Amino acid sequence: DTGVSQNPRHKITKRGQNVTFRCDPISEHNRLYWYRQTLGQGPEFLTYFQNEAQLEKSRLLSDRFSAERPKGSFSTLEIQRTEQGDSAMYLCASSLDDRGTYEQYFGPGTRLTVT
Amino acid sequence: DAKTTQPTSMDCAEGRAANLPCNHSTISGNEYVYWYRQIHSQGPQYIIHGLKNNETNEMASLIITEDRKSSTLILPHATLRDTAVYYCIVRAPSLRLQAQLWSRFKAAGNKLTFGGGTRVLVKP
Repeated sequence: DTGVSQNPRHKITKRGQNVTFRCDPISEHNRLYWYRQTLGQGPEFLTYFQNEAQLEKSRLLSDRFSAERPKGSFSTLEIQRTEQGDSAMYLCASSLDDRGTYEQYFGPGTRLTVT
Repeated sequence: DAKTTQPTSMDCAEGRAANLPCNHSTISGNEYVYWYRQIHSQGPQYIIHGLKNNETNEMASLIITEDRKSSTLILPHATLRDTAVYYCIVRAPSLRLQAQLWSRFKAAGNKLTFGGGTRVLVKP
């Protein structure tokens, strides 16, 4: 257990529905990241926050995706009008950026299945 | 961030050392080598990182060649629980440090770029 928690662990939804995932990082970590991982592939970066500011977004993050970290603590990732291609593991990670080199601590992920 | 090349898969005998190679011939002077692993159905786990000196921690050792174009992760006594996908990642220091120290250089960003990794199977 890295100290990063994600909920729910599994989500099955029908195409067209909206889903929201939550990530609770390690409490003192100021950076929070979202990645997506499809079967057989390595994780792909989606976006990251420093405190409450969203500083970088990947081209993978289409208009249907939105992420927030309102108080610089937990974060939510929402997918609107889900498509079957959204089926993947969504991973959250956090880090403490105080020296420039850092380790990211990953949560267990939320597995999304869109039917 | 520089690209890395790793073998797709490798087997290792339980109790023996596992040596995982990684090529990163285009690595830049300020880029670090990171290793993560991902056990089935879990999130990636940080193992170790280094710049140019060899590094060792409780999990593994990292050997970086003098020209820094390749590195080897060593698991000294592999166990069945070490069966996982191992990722070698090369990246520059975080945005904030680069901004502080080398403000004239373009910031590298903060994401980890995972490749395909090496699928390591530890056999009894």
